Parts: sequence; structure tokens; C-alpha cells
Amino acid sequence: GAVVSQHPSWVICKSGTSVKIECRSLDFQATTMFWYRQFPKQSLMLMATSNEGSKATYEQGVEKDKFLINHASLTLSTLTVTSAHPEDSSFYICSARDGGKGNQPQHFGDGTRLSIL
Amino acid sequence: GEDVEQSLFLSVREGDSSVINCTYTDSSSTYLYWYKQEPGAGLQLLTYIFSNMDMKQDQRLTVLLNKKDKHLSLRIADTQTGDSAIYFCAESITGGGNKLTFGTGTQLKVEL
Repeated sequence: GAVVSQHPSWVICKSGTSVKIECRSLDFQATTMFWYRQFPKQSLMLMATSNEGSKATYEQGVEKDKFLINHASLTLSTLTVTSAHPEDSSFYICSARDGGKGNQPQHFGDGTRLSIL
Repeated sequence: GEDVEQSLFLSVREGDSSVINCTYTDSSSTYLYWYKQEPGAGLQLLTYIFSNMDMKQDQRLTVLLNKKDKHLSLRIADTQTGDSAIYFCAESITGGGNKLTFGTGTQLKVEL
């Protein structure tokens, strides 16, 4: 149980393109999902907390107009990197919590490697 | 503030035990977690412990928590080559909105 699917796993695109990444909880309902960014050989940096049916909460220093988050259902959150540039190249990972069972850990997707040329 | 530290690298021989250590600074931790990350992949939840517990064992994994010293450890018994990965500890804190603060990660290398 507690499977989180992230798609796509790898994206290469030209500078200026917008890229959408999906995060799905397959066997549970996630009222809260989280989006992280990870640079090579570094830890995870929380970008934002995605709440179903409401606006995402962004961490300090993360541009909300650059990284658009939509959490329209209890099983799907999307992160759109708008007008991506080479400095946006990174590994993006989502996680989800089962909101219906008290204190539950975060379960992670397999990540999306984004390469902007 | 929240600060979670780990040693960067650990090398062990196959069959030996591995002990990965983690220190944290926030005394209002509620849960502490261990995640495993293999190259190019997401994070796999290994185990977690509630902050009022001292120890938790799950097959080859043993978690020890010293709340007084704010020290967490993960012991892997009979370490195998498949255990080679990066291990992250993480904490969630009271009133933190279920957010996690991750440690710096420990690269475990298992040699034959």
C-alpha cells in the first residue's frame, strides 16, 4: 500500500517551455502533497505544500508564479514549471500523506529529472 | 530553528552491521524517519519512530532514539550490497504542518 506515482520520470525540453509534472496517490487519498527539489549530491529542499481544494503554501524563496501547483483532487497534484530555463534543471520529487489515518508518514514518488537546454 | 545533521559517507563490508547516525536540534520533534534513496530514484520509507519511544526494530533494521541528546541512529544488520544507497533521516515537528526537515544524507557503500 501507499504507492505514489510520479510522471514523467525524465523530461528534456527547450528553454522557455512550460513543463507539467504529475503526482498521484494510487491507493489512498492524499489531502496533502509536498513538492521537493533535489540538487546533485544534496538533500531534499521543500518547495511547497499542496493542499487539496486550496492554494498551495510555498516555502520562502520559491516563486509561486514560476512553480504553479494545482491539487484538484484527493489523488492528484501537479507542478508546472513555467517558462523553464537551464537553472530550473533539477530532480523534482513529490510526496503524499494519507490524510484519513491520523499520523501517517510521507510516501514519495520516484522523481522527475528535468533538463532544460 | 531546525537543523538535521548526518555524516556524509559510511563504508562497510558485506555481512557486517552498519550504523548510520543523525543529530537534530528541534526538541519538539514528533516523529523521526529513515528514508533510503537509490541512484536516480525517489525516497523509500524504511521505518519511523514516535518521539516518546527509545527503540524500534523491524527485521534487519533497528532504530535507536536518544531524545535527551537529540540523537537518532539506524542499524542495518547483515548489510548486503543491495543496501548501498543514500540514507536520509527526517523529522516532523509539533505544529509544523506535517512538513519534514531532512538530514544531509549518508552515502552507504557496501563492499564485498
